[in-house]
Amino acid sequence: QEKVQQSPESLIVPEGAMVSLNCSFSDSASQSIWWYQQHPGKGPKALISIFSNGNKKEGRLTVYLNRASLHVSLHIKDSQPSDSAVYLCAVRYYGNEKITFGAGTKLTIKP
Amino acid sequence: GPKVLQIPSHQIIDMGQMVTLNCDPVSNHLYFYWYKQILGQQMEFLVNFYNGKVMEKSKLFKDQFSVERPDGSYFTLKIQPTALEDSAVYFCASSSRETLYFGSGTRLTVL
Repeated sequence: QEKVQQSPESLIVPEGAMVSLNCSFSDSASQSIWWYQQHPGKGPKALISIFSNGNKKEGRLTVYLNRASLHVSLHIKDSQPSDSAVYLCAVRYYGNEKITFGAGTKLTIKP
Repeated sequence: GPKVLQIPSHQIIDMGQMVTLNCDPVSNHLYFYWYKQILGQQMEFLVNFYNGKVMEKSKLFKDQFSVERPDGSYFTLKIQPTALEDSAVYFCASSSRETLYFGSGTRLTVL
């Protein structure tokens, strides 16, 4: 059964700090991994994805994937109060195209 | 960006009644998903479609649930009869392949 686990559950950091969010997934047959941002009362919004081992950078966001350890991380540089939201890790699996979400990390950026 | 429209935004009904949730996906997207999110909890997969046909249903997709595409454009999720544990926000999402675009959700309250 596909499982996606995220840590920490919540995180409070001062504005300008580097933020690191973690995600572990259960099956190396995962196809792609996505990070989504969800504000209260809204649907999730896609931020960044990764398919191959290594890292990918887009603006203030960097994502690292290690398929051998079944781990992916998201790093947010120079965090802003507007980054405060729940961050969801999502994994697409081969075959049934099912996309499984983690429980999320609630991020609060203090001004 | 692409818009996914969900109506209604809120629905309050009595236990045992029928409810129909509607979602208009992005027009050229072939993949479609329904998710359930209980307040403050994980986004849980219900069912997904490819080119209008069901690909997989989760264990959460009870016999009381049904999905249709009445005129080949929008999708419906029907729950009949509803139970107290059906209270949640239901999100739909569509994609061309990778990025999921979510609606704003329908908040269902079963009394």
